[in-house]
Order: sequence, then C-alpha cells, then structure tokens
Amino acid sequence: AQSVTQLGSHVSVSEGALVLLRCNYSSSVPPYLFWYVQYPNQGLQLLLKYTSAATLVKGINGFEAEFKKSETSFHLTKPSAHMSDAAEYFCAVSDMDGTSYGKLTFGQGTILTVHP
Amino acid sequence: SQTIHQWPATLVQPVGSPLSLECTVEGTSNPNLYWYRQAAGRGLQLLFYSVGIGQISSEVPQNLSASRPQDRQFILSSKKLLLSDSGFYLCACDFGSGNTIYFGEGSWLTVV
Repeated sequence: AQSVTQLGSHVSVSEGALVLLRCNYSSSVPPYLFWYVQYPNQGLQLLLKYTSAATLVKGINGFEAEFKKSETSFHLTKPSAHMSDAAEYFCAVSDMDGTSYGKLTFGQGTILTVHP
Repeated sequence: SQTIHQWPATLVQPVGSPLSLECTVEGTSNPNLYWYRQAAGRGLQLLFYSVGIGQISSEVPQNLSASRPQDRQFILSSKKLLLSDSGFYLCACDFGSGNTIYFGEGSWLTVV
C-alpha cells in the first residue's frame, strides 16, 4: 500500500524567501512522484513529476523537487517566493510497476501563504 | 490540444435527487480516465477509473456510479444523492501516458 505524508498543513513565508514544502512517501515498489498546485476553486495543475530519470526535477513557476530514496522524500522548493505562489500544494505517489493504471495517492495538502 | 472539459461547474441538488456530471477529453485516444472527489476533511480520494469503453473500476464503496459510453467521455452519476456526496469532483486523464494524470477544472456539488 502506498501513502504520502505532507509535513505541515500550513506554511507561511515572506515574499522573496525560500519555499520548502515537505513530502515523505511510502511505497512497496519504485514510485512515481508528483507535485500539484491548486488555486482556489480550480482544478489541480501539475507542477512537476519524478518518473525514474534525474533525481532533481525542475517544474513550472521556478519550483523544483529532489527525489531521495534513502529518505523516502520528495520535498518541493523554490528559491524565492512570489505572491502568486500562494495556493494549496499536493504531493502524490503512484506505483511504477505498471499495474496501478496511473492511480494516485495524495497527501493531505499544504496551504502556502506568502506575506508581502 | 489536450483538454479536459467538465460540466456543470457548479451544482446545488436536494437530497434524494439524481446526479449526472460529465467529462469529455480532447487530444487523445484510449486514455485512462478518473473521477476524484475532494471533500472537507477527506482530502483527494479516487472514486473510479476506467481503462476503456465500458470498463469501470470502483475504488471505494459509495452512493455513486460511473460510466464510459465513449472513448473520451466519462460520466459520474447517482440515483439518489446524500448530504455526504457534497464535494468538489475532479475528472482526470492520463492522455495516454499511463503514468501522469492531468485534471479538469472540477465540478462543485452541494447537496442540500
């Protein structure tokens, strides 16, 4: 069984500060890992994904994440926060064994607030 | 281009009434399709997925059903809505990738 834990349901940063959103996963097989962003009253937008290529993954809007197998982590970072980054962020995992049909297991989400 | 259309965007329905949410996708053939629900206190939950026409798998027991009458059409239904069916329903599609899911804009359902 897979699971995802996002540490911190709310994260608050100042504009221009480092953004770090934490995600740890549990999977019995090699995982695919994803970060999605959700703005109020909208669907989820894919930020980035890890699918067994480079462990440091770059996504849209200046975000990146690093897959660390030894730590079972896939933390999301951005060097300098912008006001427009305020949203809810979801980490998700699916199996890489070809039988999961792309089904995702999501973390509970982290709401990012950016202060001017 | 690859797009996901969901409608209606917002719906308010009385308890016991039927439901039909529709999703169509463009820019792909034979995709995997999914219905997720986002409800307060329950996070994002996979309800149904489909790997082809007429093929539906249910992930959780519930008051809802899904159908896929055409390759790029996915419908979520209920015969009698419950208060607990309220939530934000998201259709998703892998556009043939098999490993990356993209979401539509969602449908807000309030059962009163």
